[in-house]
Amino acid sequence: GAVVSQHPSRVICKSGTSVKIECRSLDFQATTMFWYRQFPKQSLMLMATSNEGSKATYEQGVEKDKFLINHASLTLSTLTVTSAHPEDSSFYICSAPSRTEGTDTQYFGPGTRLTVL
Amino acid sequence: QKEVEQNSGPLSVPEGAIASLNCTYSDRGSQSFFWYRQYSGKSPELIMSIYSNGDKEDGRFTAQLNKASQYVSLLIRDSQPSDSATYLCAVIPGGTSYGKLTFGQGTILTVHP
Repeated sequence: GAVVSQHPSRVICKSGTSVKIECRSLDFQATTMFWYRQFPKQSLMLMATSNEGSKATYEQGVEKDKFLINHASLTLSTLTVTSAHPEDSSFYICSAPSRTEGTDTQYFGPGTRLTVL
Repeated sequence: QKEVEQNSGPLSVPEGAIASLNCTYSDRGSQSFFWYRQYSGKSPELIMSIYSNGDKEDGRFTAQLNKASQYVSLLIRDSQPSDSATYLCAVIPGGTSYGKLTFGQGTILTVHP
């Protein structure tokens, strides 16, 4: 299957700092990528849709000024958590669709565990 | 009503048994259905996708889709302890943007030796 990478895999930062997470599609191009957040013992919550060449689309309740998304190229999307606070501590996962058998299947990155002290 | 519903479990089965995981969805226009497996602390990995009514088999896994009943299931034959994980049902509802998934809350499966 298609491969999606994320960097870093784990980050610990102080409250008030900003953290950038990268998501790359390694063997295919992705004009669209998705960013999810997962709290312990909960399912994945879609935060936003990252669109190459245009603004990201945010889900209801997600602050676009706090979670900055930039889809810099057909293989790279970044999520920046600005002025991070302890409640932003979570598992952040990106995904990208790859077309196989005429339909689009989402492939997930390995995730980034963010801990804000 | 949640868009995608799963029994949260935990579902416990003995090694070698068949594990049956169920999922219902609310949007009749949904066309694409997926089962993901997620180990603790890891991201989801795709197990099966299914788009047409009926069964789709891949090794020990069989996905079943019934659009009239808005129901999709996953059977795991000859369950192994390594199958112990959270299984996520995901759907692309009708009319949503490109590839946008809606997830169920996940079913925790435990396979005991």
